[in-house]
Amino acid sequence: EVQLVESGGGLVQPGRSLKLSCAASGFTFSDYNMAWVRQAPKKGLEWVATIIYDGSRTYYRDSVKGRFTISRDNAKSTLYLQMDSLRSEDTATYYCATHPFNNYWYFDFWGPGTMVTVSS
Amino acid sequence: DIQMTQSPSLLSASVGDRVTINCKASQNINKYLNWYQQKLGEAPKLLIYNTNNLQTGIPSRFSGSGSGTDYTLTISSLQPEDFGTYFCFQHNSWPLTFGSGTKLEIK
Repeated sequence: EVQLVESGGGLVQPGRSLKLSCAASGFTFSDYNMAWVRQAPKKGLEWVATIIYDGSRTYYRDSVKGRFTISRDNAKSTLYLQMDSLRSEDTATYYCATHPFNNYWYFDFWGPGTMVTVSS
Repeated sequence: DIQMTQSPSLLSASVGDRVTINCKASQNINKYLNWYQQKLGEAPKLLIYNTNNLQTGIPSRFSGSGSGTDYTLTISSLQPEDFGTYFCFQHNSWPLTFGSGTKLEIK
Protein backbone atom coordinates (compact mmCIF):
# COMPACT_ATOMS: atom_id res chain seq x y z
CA GLU A 1 0.00 0.00 0.00
CA VAL A 2 1.37 3.41 -0.98
CA GLN A 3 2.04 5.62 2.03
CA LEU A 4 3.28 9.19 2.02
CA VAL A 5 3.82 11.01 5.31
CA GLU A 6 4.82 14.66 5.38
CA SER A 7 6.59 16.34 8.30
CA GLY A 8 8.42 19.54 9.15
CA GLY A 9 5.56 22.04 9.05
CA GLY A 10 5.02 24.68 11.70
CA LEU A 11 4.94 28.38 12.48
CA VAL A 12 7.74 30.44 10.95
CA GLN A 13 8.39 34.17 10.65
CA PRO A 14 8.39 35.91 7.27
CA GLY A 15 11.79 35.77 5.62
CA ARG A 16 12.86 32.64 7.48
CA SER A 17 13.32 29.08 6.19
CA LEU A 18 11.68 25.73 6.70
CA LYS A 19 12.36 22.27 5.28
CA LEU A 20 9.58 19.77 4.69
CA SER A 21 10.09 16.03 4.36
CA CYS A 22 7.91 13.30 2.90
CA ALA A 23 8.63 9.69 3.85
CA ALA A 24 7.44 7.24 1.20
CA SER A 25 6.73 3.53 1.52
CA GLY A 26 4.81 0.75 -0.21
CA PHE A 27 6.28 1.40 -3.66
CA THR A 28 9.64 1.75 -5.40
CA PHE A 29 10.25 5.42 -4.66
CA SER A 30 13.19 5.72 -7.05
CA ASP A 31 10.95 4.85 -10.02
CA TYR A 32 8.48 7.70 -9.50
CA ASN A 33 8.39 11.38 -10.28
CA MET A 34 7.23 13.29 -7.20
CA ALA A 35 5.59 16.61 -6.41
CA TRP A 36 4.54 19.09 -3.75
CA VAL A 37 1.08 20.62 -3.92
CA ARG A 38 -0.26 23.21 -1.46
CA GLN A 39 -3.60 24.52 -0.32
CA ALA A 40 -4.02 27.82 1.52
CA PRO A 41 -6.67 27.79 4.26
CA LYS A 42 -10.15 27.48 2.76
CA LYS A 43 -8.66 27.96 -0.71
CA GLY A 44 -8.00 25.87 -3.80
CA LEU A 45 -5.11 23.62 -4.72
CA GLU A 46 -1.86 24.87 -6.18
CA TRP A 47 0.94 22.80 -7.68
CA VAL A 48 4.30 23.92 -6.23
CA ALA A 49 7.12 21.78 -7.62
CA THR A 50 7.97 18.47 -9.31
CA ILE A 51 11.14 16.39 -9.39
CA ILE A 52 12.00 13.64 -11.84
CA TYR A 53 12.54 10.11 -10.47
CA ASP A 54 16.34 10.38 -10.52
CA GLY A 55 16.51 14.02 -9.45
CA SER A 56 17.84 15.11 -12.83
CA ARG A 57 15.13 17.68 -13.53
CA THR A 58 12.91 19.93 -11.47
CA TYR A 59 9.97 22.17 -12.23
CA TYR A 60 8.59 25.06 -10.14
CA ARG A 61 5.70 27.45 -10.22
CA ASP A 62 6.86 31.01 -10.82
CA SER A 63 5.91 32.32 -7.38
CA VAL A 64 8.36 29.95 -5.63
CA LYS A 65 11.20 29.88 -8.17
CA GLY A 66 14.45 30.94 -6.55
CA ARG A 67 13.01 30.52 -3.03
CA PHE A 68 11.98 26.84 -2.87
CA THR A 69 14.09 23.79 -3.73
CA ILE A 70 12.65 20.33 -4.27
CA SER A 71 15.03 17.40 -3.79
CA ARG A 72 14.97 13.70 -3.02
CA ASP A 73 17.04 10.97 -1.42
CA ASN A 74 16.16 7.72 -3.17
CA ALA A 75 18.22 5.67 -0.73
CA LYS A 76 15.99 6.95 2.08
CA SER A 77 12.76 7.03 0.01
CA THR A 78 12.30 10.63 1.08
CA LEU A 79 11.21 13.78 -0.73
CA TYR A 80 12.12 17.26 0.51
CA LEU A 81 11.05 20.84 0.03
CA GLN A 82 13.47 23.51 1.23
CA MET A 83 11.55 26.76 1.59
CA ASP A 84 13.55 29.97 1.97
CA SER A 85 12.52 33.63 2.17
CA LEU A 86 9.04 32.59 3.25
CA ARG A 87 6.13 34.97 2.75
CA SER A 88 2.69 35.15 4.33
CA GLU A 89 1.20 33.93 1.05
CA ASP A 90 3.11 30.66 1.46
CA THR A 91 0.85 29.77 4.39
CA ALA A 92 -0.82 26.51 3.40
CA THR A 93 -1.12 22.81 3.93
CA TYR A 94 1.63 21.18 1.88
CA TYR A 95 0.94 17.80 0.32
CA CYS A 96 3.47 15.37 -1.05
CA ALA A 97 2.14 13.48 -4.08
CA THR A 98 3.21 10.90 -6.62
CA HIS A 99 3.05 11.38 -10.35
CA PRO A 100 1.91 8.08 -11.91
CA PHE A 101 4.27 5.55 -13.42
CA ASN A 102 2.81 6.15 -16.88
CA ASN A 103 4.74 9.42 -17.26
CA TYR A 104 1.71 11.67 -17.13
CA TRP A 105 1.92 14.72 -14.91
CA TYR A 106 -1.16 14.31 -12.76
CA PHE A 107 -1.07 13.19 -9.10
CA ASP A 108 -2.38 9.81 -8.08
CA PHE A 109 -1.41 9.29 -4.43
CA TRP A 110 -1.25 12.01 -1.78
CA GLY A 111 -0.01 12.27 1.78
CA PRO A 112 -2.22 13.75 4.54
CA GLY A 113 -0.32 17.04 4.42
CA THR A 114 1.65 19.24 6.81
CA MET A 115 0.63 22.78 7.74
CA VAL A 116 2.98 25.72 7.26
CA THR A 117 2.06 29.07 8.81
CA VAL A 118 4.15 32.12 7.94
CA SER A 119 3.44 34.88 10.42
CA SER A 120 5.23 37.27 12.73
CA ASP B 1 -0.78 29.81 -17.53
CA ILE B 2 -3.90 27.80 -18.34
CA GLN B 3 -6.88 29.01 -16.30
CA MET B 4 -9.43 26.40 -15.24
CA THR B 5 -12.95 27.71 -14.59
CA GLN B 6 -15.37 25.45 -12.77
CA SER B 7 -19.12 25.77 -12.50
CA PRO B 8 -21.12 25.84 -10.40
CA SER B 9 -19.07 26.80 -7.35
CA LEU B 10 -21.78 25.43 -5.04
CA LEU B 11 -24.20 22.62 -5.76
CA SER B 12 -26.93 21.21 -3.56
CA ALA B 13 -28.54 17.94 -4.64
CA SER B 14 -30.50 15.00 -3.28
CA VAL B 15 -29.52 11.36 -2.97
CA GLY B 16 -30.27 9.64 -6.26
CA ASP B 17 -29.93 12.81 -8.36
CA ARG B 18 -27.80 12.96 -11.47
CA VAL B 19 -25.19 15.67 -10.94
CA THR B 20 -22.88 17.39 -13.42
CA ILE B 21 -19.93 19.67 -12.75
CA ASN B 22 -18.31 21.63 -15.54
CA CYS B 23 -14.77 22.75 -16.15
CA LYS B 24 -13.58 25.09 -18.88
CA ALA B 25 -9.92 25.57 -19.75
CA SER B 26 -8.60 28.83 -21.16
CA GLN B 27 -7.04 26.89 -24.03
CA ASN B 28 -7.09 23.39 -25.53
CA ILE B 29 -5.75 20.87 -22.97
CA ASN B 30 -5.97 17.79 -25.22
CA LYS B 31 -8.05 15.75 -22.77
CA TYR B 32 -5.33 15.96 -20.09
CA LEU B 33 -8.02 16.68 -17.54
CA ASN B 34 -8.47 15.04 -14.16
CA TRP B 35 -11.08 15.21 -11.42
CA TYR B 36 -10.37 15.05 -7.69
CA GLN B 37 -12.68 14.82 -4.69
CA GLN B 38 -11.67 16.37 -1.39
CA LYS B 39 -13.41 16.00 1.95
CA LEU B 40 -12.86 18.39 4.83
CA GLY B 41 -9.51 17.86 6.50
CA GLU B 42 -8.39 15.22 4.01
CA ALA B 43 -6.08 15.08 1.01
CA PRO B 44 -7.66 15.11 -2.45
CA LYS B 45 -8.53 11.76 -3.98
CA LEU B 46 -8.15 11.01 -7.68
CA LEU B 47 -11.44 10.06 -9.32
CA ILE B 48 -10.88 10.33 -13.05
CA TYR B 49 -7.76 10.83 -15.17
CA ASN B 50 -7.34 11.90 -18.78
CA THR B 51 -10.98 12.98 -19.13
CA ASN B 52 -12.78 9.65 -18.88
CA ASN B 53 -10.62 7.00 -17.15
CA LEU B 54 -11.89 5.85 -13.79
CA GLN B 55 -9.18 5.48 -11.17
CA THR B 56 -8.99 2.03 -9.56
CA GLY B 57 -11.50 1.64 -6.76
CA ILE B 58 -13.72 4.54 -7.77
CA PRO B 59 -17.42 3.64 -8.18
CA SER B 60 -18.80 3.47 -11.69
CA ARG B 61 -21.42 6.14 -10.93
CA PHE B 62 -18.60 8.63 -11.57
CA SER B 63 -17.82 9.40 -15.20
CA GLY B 64 -16.09 12.09 -17.19
CA SER B 65 -16.33 13.48 -20.69
CA GLY B 66 -15.14 16.34 -22.81
CA SER B 67 -12.54 17.54 -25.23
CA GLY B 68 -10.72 20.67 -26.25
CA THR B 69 -11.52 23.26 -23.58
CA ASP B 70 -14.76 21.87 -22.10
CA TYR B 71 -15.05 18.98 -19.65
CA THR B 72 -17.72 17.47 -17.42
CA LEU B 73 -17.83 15.25 -14.36
CA THR B 74 -21.07 13.32 -13.93
CA ILE B 75 -22.31 11.43 -10.89
CA SER B 76 -25.13 9.26 -12.19
CA SER B 77 -26.91 8.64 -8.88
CA LEU B 78 -25.69 10.73 -5.97
CA GLN B 79 -24.85 8.88 -2.77
CA PRO B 80 -24.54 10.39 0.74
CA GLU B 81 -20.78 9.78 0.77
CA ASP B 82 -20.30 11.91 -2.36
CA PHE B 83 -20.41 15.22 -0.45
CA GLY B 84 -17.24 17.26 -0.62
CA THR B 85 -15.41 19.58 -2.95
CA TYR B 86 -14.52 18.58 -6.49
CA PHE B 87 -11.58 20.04 -8.39
CA CYS B 88 -10.68 19.73 -12.05
CA PHE B 89 -7.00 19.75 -12.97
CA GLN B 90 -5.04 20.09 -16.21
CA HIS B 91 -1.69 18.43 -16.86
CA ASN B 92 -1.34 19.41 -20.50
CA SER B 93 1.25 22.09 -19.83
CA TRP B 94 3.30 23.73 -17.10
CA PRO B 95 2.43 25.16 -14.70
CA LEU B 96 -0.06 22.44 -13.76
CA THR B 97 -3.29 24.11 -12.67
CA PHE B 98 -6.47 23.31 -10.77
CA GLY B 99 -9.96 24.69 -11.00
CA SER B 100 -11.27 26.65 -8.04
CA GLY B 101 -13.55 23.85 -6.89
CA THR B 102 -17.23 22.91 -6.71
CA LYS B 103 -18.65 22.31 -3.26
CA LEU B 104 -21.27 19.55 -3.42
CA GLU B 105 -23.78 19.50 -0.60
CA ILE B 106 -26.27 16.72 -0.03
CA LYS B 107 -29.83 18.00 0.56
